[in-house]
Amino acid sequence: GAVVSQHPSWVICKSGTSVKIECRSLDFQATTMFWYRQFPKQSLMLMATSNEGSKATYEQGVEKDKFLINHASLTLSTLTVTSAHPEDSSFYICSARDVTGGLSEKLFFGSGTQLSVL
Amino acid sequence: GQQVMQIPQYQHVQEGEDFTTYCNSSTTLSNIQWYKQRPGGHPVFLIQLVKSGEVKKQKRLTFQFGEAKKNSSLHITATQTTDVGTYFCAGPGSNDYKLSFGAGTTVTVRA
Repeated sequence: GAVVSQHPSWVICKSGTSVKIECRSLDFQATTMFWYRQFPKQSLMLMATSNEGSKATYEQGVEKDKFLINHASLTLSTLTVTSAHPEDSSFYICSARDVTGGLSEKLFFGSGTQLSVL
Repeated sequence: GQQVMQIPQYQHVQEGEDFTTYCNSSTTLSNIQWYKQRPGGHPVFLIQLVKSGEVKKQKRLTFQFGEAKKNSSLHITATQTTDVGTYFCAGPGSNDYKLSFGAGTTVTVRA
């Protein structure tokens, strides 16, 4: 199946710094990628939809200036957590759909990034 | 907006027993998907159901889509330790390209 690579797997940073997370589709082109946030023992909460070549679409309650998304190519989307604070500590996961060969709505997920803000 | 409700949240199962997790939507779904997330891992796609009343099997896992396309279930028979993890159902939102995930059912198995 399609492979989505996410980097880094974990990051520890100081409060006030910014952290960039990369999400790459390795063997397919992804015009749309999704960024989720997951707290321990909870479900995945969609944060935003990343669209190649255009602005991301943010879910209600998600600060777009806090979570900057850039989707500059068909295989790469980045999420930057700006001026991170301890409450931003979470597991962030990206996903993408592989529609090669026809419509498919299933998602392929990256391995996730565990962010810890001190 | 569309919400997907999933129960139970936790399922502690004796090895060899069966269990079922249920998923319900407030609206009719064009399709429903199931994912499994192992502890410390990321969600992995299991299956997609599209047709009303559809039933699909994957070895010991049986997936069902309700006639009204508003509910779904996952039944696991003869649970094994490899079944440990959290099972999520997910359905498209108002815009079909976005998925709304249920709360998940976290399965633990006692030998």
